Amino acid sequence: GENVEQHPSTLSVQEGDSAVIKCTYSDSASNYFPWYKQELGKRPQLIIDIRSNVGEKKDQRIAVTLNKTAKHFSLHITETQPEDSAVYFCAASYNDMRFGAGTRLTVKP
Amino acid sequence: EPEVTQTPSHQVTQMGQEVILRCVPISNHLYFYWYRQILGQKVEFLVSFYNNEISEKSEIFDDQFSVERPDGSNFTLKIRSTKLEDSAMYFCASSDDGQGNTGELFFGEGSRLTVL
Repeated sequence: GENVEQHPSTLSVQEGDSAVIKCTYSDSASNYFPWYKQELGKRPQLIIDIRSNVGEKKDQRIAVTLNKTAKHFSLHITETQPEDSAVYFCAASYNDMRFGAGTRLTVKP
Repeated sequence: EPEVTQTPSHQVTQMGQEVILRCVPISNHLYFYWYRQILGQKVEFLVSFYNNEISEKSEIFDDQFSVERPDGSNFTLKIRSTKLEDSAMYFCASSDDGQGNTGELFFGEGSRLTVL
């Protein structure tokens, strides 16, 4: 089955800086790559996703890039704010969705 | 906005007991999932369900687990003979964006299971 690796496991940035989280996947058939944000004690919530026919997608301060050849995709958050602090999970999906191990992002005011 | 709902929000059980976690997926969704998240760890896939049968299951989903859609709205996860290591948050999710089972997952709030 699909195996998703995510790095780093923790990331601390100053407010206003950018944050980048990277993921790799193993199954070349995967064609859907969402990113979820999970606040403490809450459910994962989708923040952005990308499909395999697209290389980059942006939504305000959040962008995702996908390199299908290399089987990796990344989340970019610009102008970080303290409320961006959370755990971020990448995922890859073909028949079922598998998640990375998560990145705990801390944005220091 | 439609939501996936789960009950109970928290269940405490004794080791060896059976538990049933219930989920009501979003009404027009066709794909249903259970995931597990042990405290502080990743979200782990357990099982996906489509057209009244399991479509995929992970290595975690062994004979101790079963799923059922007993009526047109509920989707249940049964855990038999619970073990301490079954303590986790169990998330139900559903999906249907017209692209089969590779669409956005909508998660419920989760059911926290504590096995003593």
